Amino acid sequence: EVQLVESGGGLVKPGGSLRLSCAASGFTFSNAWMSWVRQAPGKGLEWVGRIKSKTDGGTTDYAAPVKGRFTISRDDSKNTLYLQMNSLKTEDTAVYYCTTVQVFGSYYFDYWGQGTLVTVSS
Amino acid sequence: SYVLTQPPSVSVAPGQTARITCGGNNIGSKSVHWYQQKPGQAPVLVVYDDSDRPSGIPERFSGSNSGNTATLTISRVEAGDEADYYCQVWDSSSDHQGVFGGGTKLTVL
Repeated sequence: EVQLVESGGGLVKPGGSLRLSCAASGFTFSNAWMSWVRQAPGKGLEWVGRIKSKTDGGTTDYAAPVKGRFTISRDDSKNTLYLQMNSLKTEDTAVYYCTTVQVFGSYYFDYWGQGTLVTVSS
Repeated sequence: SYVLTQPPSVSVAPGQTARITCGGNNIGSKSVHWYQQKPGQAPVLVVYDDSDRPSGIPERFSGSNSGNTATLTISRVEAGDEADYYCQVWDSSSDHQGVFGGGTKLTVL
């Protein structure tokens, strides 16, 4: 059974930093493309970014609102995905979900974690 | 950047058919995926590649995509289908970006 468990959320001041983790199990993590999706309180889903498997180059893509501030990385030896968030803004307040990315054909998000809440406030 | 437009809300009586639309410029040329999200829960994939269903998703959920509109159809709607529904595509035209629609709240009357 695929399991994705996010952690690391919490309260941080504007301008601060936070690192989220996503522990994966139930599939071959090293072969998987992974993504982060967020949801502000009472709002819709927003794609944050994606990392390819190392076999496919390990490269990343980001949404415009987070590009240059957020960094996605992975540790395949620990089956863990990370999201380093710097220069945080109040508008980054959201539940952050870790997802797997299905890459055969088009790209979609087939498994989701339960999410971790990040609150950016002074 | 590519924009997906969904109606904010759709209402339907139990047993009837709900249709939730997702509009986008020439969306028929893209693969569209749909997610269901119930309050306090993570989203769940219900349709991928326009019209395919993951295992465990009832046959009552189906999808279509043509021209400038993709549609999620839920037949014989049940109270448990009440949720927010989001469409999604991948935009490879410039930067590689995941794109979600704004979401549609399905209310079962």
